[in-house]
Amino acid sequence: GENVEQHPSTLSVQEGDSAVIKCTYSDSASNYFPWYKQELGKGPQLIIDIRSNVGEKKDQRIAVTLNKTAKHFSLHITETQPEDSAVYFCAARTGFQKLVFGTGTRLLVSP
Amino acid sequence: NAGVTQTPKFQVLKTGQSMTLQCAQDMNHNSMYWYRQDPGMGLRLIYYSASEGTTDKGEVPNGYNVSRLNKREFSLRLESAAPSQTSVYFCASSPGQGGPSNEKLFFGSGTQLSVL
Repeated sequence: GENVEQHPSTLSVQEGDSAVIKCTYSDSASNYFPWYKQELGKGPQLIIDIRSNVGEKKDQRIAVTLNKTAKHFSLHITETQPEDSAVYFCAARTGFQKLVFGTGTRLLVSP
Repeated sequence: NAGVTQTPKFQVLKTGQSMTLQCAQDMNHNSMYWYRQDPGMGLRLIYYSASEGTTDKGEVPNGYNVSRLNKREFSLRLESAAPSQTSVYFCASSPGQGGPSNEKLFFGSGTQLSVL
């Protein structure tokens, strides 16, 4: 089955810097890759997703890139703000199978 | 619009006790899910309901049972709690039928369960 690895487990940046979180997946047939943000005491919330027919997708300060050949995808956050501090999860899905989540990255943005 | 509501938020059980985690959504979604979240292991699917009246096992179903009471409500029951079930439990829902084939999941705020 699908296996998703996520790095780093923790990431500390200064406000205004960029943050990059990387995930690799094992099943070359995976075709859907969402990213979820989990704030303290809350459930995860979808922030951006990408499908396998697209190489990059942007939404304001957030972007996701996908490299199907290398089987990895990344979340890029530019001009980070303290409110970006949270745990971020990547996930991958093959066809109509269930989502497989990565282990999470705790992002801390210091003022 | 409350979204996905879970109760209780916190619970402490002794080994062998039973309890039911409640979940309700007010978005008229067809599919509902139960996940557990453990440190270093991400989110793992316990059970899901692809539509009202159906339930299916996820990747870690042992020790749990579920009931899709109606379209709004999906409960998770621990019949005989074990320390290995200490975790944070999340209920989620998604608009379409078909369970895991849905894309966007809407999560509740979680139940922190400790089994002593």
